[in-house]
Amino acid sequence: EAQVTQNPRYLITVTGKKLTVTCSQNMNHEYMSWYRQDPGLGLRQIYYSMNVEVTDKGDVPEGYKVSRKEKRNFPLILESPSPNQTSLYFCASTTIGGGGETQYFGPGTRLLVL
Amino acid sequence: AQSVTQLDSQVPVFEEAPVELRCNYSSSVSVYLFWYVQYPNQGLQLLLKYLSGSTLVKGINGFEAEFNKSQTSFHLRKPSVHISDTAEYFCAVSVLSGGYNKLIFGAGTRLAVHP
Repeated sequence: EAQVTQNPRYLITVTGKKLTVTCSQNMNHEYMSWYRQDPGLGLRQIYYSMNVEVTDKGDVPEGYKVSRKEKRNFPLILESPSPNQTSLYFCASTTIGGGGETQYFGPGTRLLVL
Repeated sequence: AQSVTQLDSQVPVFEEAPVELRCNYSSSVSVYLFWYVQYPNQGLQLLLKYLSGSTLVKGINGFEAEFNKSQTSFHLRKPSVHISDTAEYFCAVSVLSGGYNKLIFGAGTRLAVHP
């Protein structure tokens, strides 16, 4: 079954404690991205990757890091989480083409930073 | 800069009634338009998309949307909703940015279907 998986689904942590949210896709997609969803703001892109070892900032990259060492995995790293990073996070993947491609989303990771 | 405006943050409706969720976008170039749905505690899934051709696009679960270039709108409609349509709906536009096609989302519309 074609899917994007994220772990963990729920996470409560404290300010400053490093954490990683994993993302994996089994569709051989080149393009992967991370979004955060906040009430009234919709989804905003944090980082994206167009292929292995190719990553770039999205609209709200501050406080986040990513890596793309393998095509299927795209972890999101919060080196020193702060309460303003409390949010719902989604990983997504798609092929790269003319722009009309469908993005496939993971189930989301709900993060609370105390 | 491109943007997407969803005019209603919440839409309450009775079961079997029709519904329209409004979406306007701003872009000076041709765009691709999408509607995604997010059911409670789930990720987003594609409802429908407009790439080119006919301006009336049919999607899953009986939804359809009409692309109106002159009004820069892409409103989503369903003639008769079910309780199971209760979800959050996101309009999005795909625009070329820095050599790749980026999705820009609206703030979302929460559809609440009441019995």
